[in-house]
Amino acid sequence: DGGITQSPKYLFRKEGQNVTLSCEQNLNHDAMYWYRQDPGQGLRLIYYSQIVNDFQKGDIAEGYSVSREKKESFPLTVTSAQKNPTAFYLCASSKDRAGEQYFGPGTRLTVT
Amino acid sequence: GENVEQHPSTLSVQEGDSAVIKCTYSDSASNYFPWYKQELGKRPQLIIDIRSNVGEKKDQRIAVTLNKTAKHFSLHITETQPEDSAVYFCAASGGIKAAGNKLTFGGGTRVLVKP
Repeated sequence: DGGITQSPKYLFRKEGQNVTLSCEQNLNHDAMYWYRQDPGQGLRLIYYSQIVNDFQKGDIAEGYSVSREKKESFPLTVTSAQKNPTAFYLCASSKDRAGEQYFGPGTRLTVT
Repeated sequence: GENVEQHPSTLSVQEGDSAVIKCTYSDSASNYFPWYKQELGKRPQLIIDIRSNVGEKKDQRIAVTLNKTAKHFSLHITETQPEDSAVYFCAASGGIKAAGNKLTFGGGTRVLVKP
């Protein structure tokens, strides 16, 4: 399965709460990414990190935050500032900036 | 930034027929074009990719063609089978020279292969 894990698979939160999604990889990949997928739509990039202790905003970073303290971990926090947080969140990693991206199994977040 | 358009959004084919999905991109600097297959509720998986130094790549029943001048690339699936039913996404990125391997995805094509 590519060595990328995401937990939990399903997550339910009340509006106004922050929530952190986990992403771990054991592929020794340098780069990691977070995407959001809404029903019937493509994937949109939230944040990405090319190396430990460094990350950049993607196309829809507002209301999200990340950290990259370890090479194998890239957690995503969905803050209360995110207006429409309910979505399927996918984490990915690649060996380097030009390499194939491998996806994790995803976390389906529902905020009510 | 990059913009990727994908057509059609849905495609229904008879088993054994061919399926073609087309994508256009806007950034002429893009040089890496992967195709992902996503089955319902599962993660996207890479099925084939092409870099800008080649015009065509094949892997068994799957092929991808790239026209850099026109800025479009296509996925061709021959002899379709029911297990080919899924959502397919194209993507484009600028590669090494760009700020990271930022993939921009198309909106997806839902392919249904009817037995």
